Amino acid sequence: AQRVTQPEKLLSVFKGAPVELKCNYSYSGSPELFWYVQYSRQRLQLLLRHISRESIKGFTADLNKGETSFHLKKPFAQEEDSAMYYCALNNCREAGKSTFGDGTTLTVKP
Amino acid sequence: DGGITQSPKYLFRKEGQNVTLSCEQNLNHDAMYWYRQDPGQGLRLIYYSQIVNDFQKGDIAEGYSVSREKKESFPLTVTSAQKNPTAFYLCASSTSMSRDSPVSYGYTFGSGTRLTVV
Repeated sequence: AQRVTQPEKLLSVFKGAPVELKCNYSYSGSPELFWYVQYSRQRLQLLLRHISRESIKGFTADLNKGETSFHLKKPFAQEEDSAMYYCALNNCREAGKSTFGDGTTLTVKP
Repeated sequence: DGGITQSPKYLFRKEGQNVTLSCEQNLNHDAMYWYRQDPGQGLRLIYYSQIVNDFQKGDIAEGYSVSREKKESFPLTVTSAQKNPTAFYLCASSTSMSRDSPVSYGYTFGSGTRLTVV
């Protein structure tokens, strides 16, 4: 069975500090991983996909198959990054349904 | 704000009553999903549909039912058999994965419906 673990429910950093939101997964096939973000009073939205290898709003995430991780990183956090972040694993064999982690609430303090 | 629309935003249900949550999308997405979000538990899959007139149970389908008569619409009914229905319900859609298109582009989410049992 596939599983996504986000070990930190809450994460707090100061503005300008580096931030890393952890995500570990278990999956028997070739994984497709995503990060979603939910800002206050906004809907959940896609932040980035591992397959596109892009940087969005200064965030990057590298898939490490050896460590089965997909940590989200940003070198200099901004106050507007404060939000709830979800890591998700896509099941390519079952209609693209995704399994989500429990989420990490990031607070960036001034 | 096009894309995917959920209604109503808030819904109150009495004990023993069935209620239906609406989800409509104009993205021409084939696949649609219903998730339930509880505090501290992340998102759990209730039902999903890859094409019209076809749907599958997710991880927590008991007490719920769905239909997919049109590509644009995927309503969720919370029945009286669902013992703990108070939650935030999220609908999502995506392009359907296939052998010719094996890559997922991720989900587009609605703004959610908060259901409360009174």
